[in-house]
Amino acid sequence: GESVGLHLPTLSVQEGDNSIINCAYSNSASDYFIWYKQESGKGPQFIIDIRSNMDKRQGQRVTVLLNKTVKHLSLQIAATQPGDSAVYFCAETRGGGSQGNLIFGKGTKLSVKP
Amino acid sequence: KAGVTQTPRYLIKTRGQQVTLSCSPISGHRSVSWYQQTPGQGLQFLFEYFSETQRNKGNFPGRFSGRQFSNSRSEMNVSTLELGDSALYLCASSSAGGRTDTQYFGPGTRLTVL
Repeated sequence: GESVGLHLPTLSVQEGDNSIINCAYSNSASDYFIWYKQESGKGPQFIIDIRSNMDKRQGQRVTVLLNKTVKHLSLQIAATQPGDSAVYFCAETRGGGSQGNLIFGKGTKLSVKP
Repeated sequence: KAGVTQTPRYLIKTRGQQVTLSCSPISGHRSVSWYQQTPGQGLQFLFEYFSETQRNKGNFPGRFSGRQFSNSRSEMNVSTLELGDSALYLCASSSAGGRTDTQYFGPGTRLTVL
């Protein structure tokens, strides 16, 4: 079936380096994507979103890139900090009409080494 | 503004029992969605409620049910518990449940079925 998935289950980076987390999606009709961060013992926390009419969107230390041609999404974290250690999920909304539920990828665990 | 709250945070039940989980959305949010998170299946959509009506449902058996009250608080119920129901159950609220409405998650209820 159609799904949103992540290539790398684990990513280890040095503190201060930039991190890139990738995600592939299979539904070419998807038009809205979200990145969530989940720390241990907590629920997913919204980081940033992007609509399909955009290629790039920036937030505070984070950038999301969308490549519709290859159905690929990435999250870039600048100057990664220990507090960024968490599992990161990409998700898309899917559903008929005006509402939709979130379809999540498997998640990537980001580990930041001091 | 207070975030999404879920009670209880932890539950231990035995097979065959039933369980009810509660979710209070962010004030003013009218849409509540429920997700199940397991190591094997990741985050999966259960159902979504808006104005006391179930609008969307995932691919789960009828043992999983829910409801929403007039104050937007929601409950989900799992009957005849199975070992495989052990999971983190997450509730998310959004203003209207639209495709591009940000969903904010609670901390989850950790259910263990023995």
